[in-house]
Amino acid sequence: GNSVTQMEGPVTLSEEAFLTINCTYTATGYPSLFWYVQYPGEGLQLLLKATKADDKGSNKGFEATYRKETTSFHLEKGSVQVSDSAVYFCALSSGGFKTIFGAGTRLFVKA
Amino acid sequence: EPEVTQTPSHQVTQMGQEVILRCVPISNHLYFYWYRQILGQKVEFLVSFYNNEISEKSEIFDDQFSVERPDGSNFTLKIRSTKLEDSAMYFCASSASWNQPQHFGDGTRLSIL
Repeated sequence: GNSVTQMEGPVTLSEEAFLTINCTYTATGYPSLFWYVQYPGEGLQLLLKATKADDKGSNKGFEATYRKETTSFHLEKGSVQVSDSAVYFCALSSGGFKTIFGAGTRLFVKA
Repeated sequence: EPEVTQTPSHQVTQMGQEVILRCVPISNHLYFYWYRQILGQKVEFLVSFYNNEISEKSEIFDDQFSVERPDGSNFTLKIRSTKLEDSAMYFCASSASWNQPQHFGDGTRLSIL
């Protein structure tokens, strides 16, 4: 069945460091891919999305490129801020109604 | 920006009692969902709802669970006889179409004693 695997956390970075959170997926067909972010005490917010191969989703300095050949959708940001501290979820939707989430990666950014 | 709102933010219930979690989806959305997240675990799909009926449900969504859209704005999840293992954060979501991103509420933390 469809699944999402993302790197285990927590990831701890200093402010202005480069961020990569790896995500790979298994899916039939042509899934849409998402990154959601969950700030402490809040719900899930859509961060970015990509709906077909080679699409790049971007928002708030974060980027992820839909790589069909490697079945990956890694999240990157060139310079993280303390305010980026949160849990990041990679997710996919493939021809059905449900969104399938990865386990989440907690990011801590130190000043 | 329109939001999905959920009430209450925290619900404490005795085991065996019925509980109803409430959600107000984004007003022009047609698809509605419930997910749950047991502490420290993945976000898991429970059920999707469209055109006043369940369109898909997971194996978690057994006979103890039901969903309803009692009026034009609310979408509820009922757990008939709660168990300790139902303790989790429950998220409601809605989307404009089945292939559009889902927008999530802030969740209801359900604690079963």
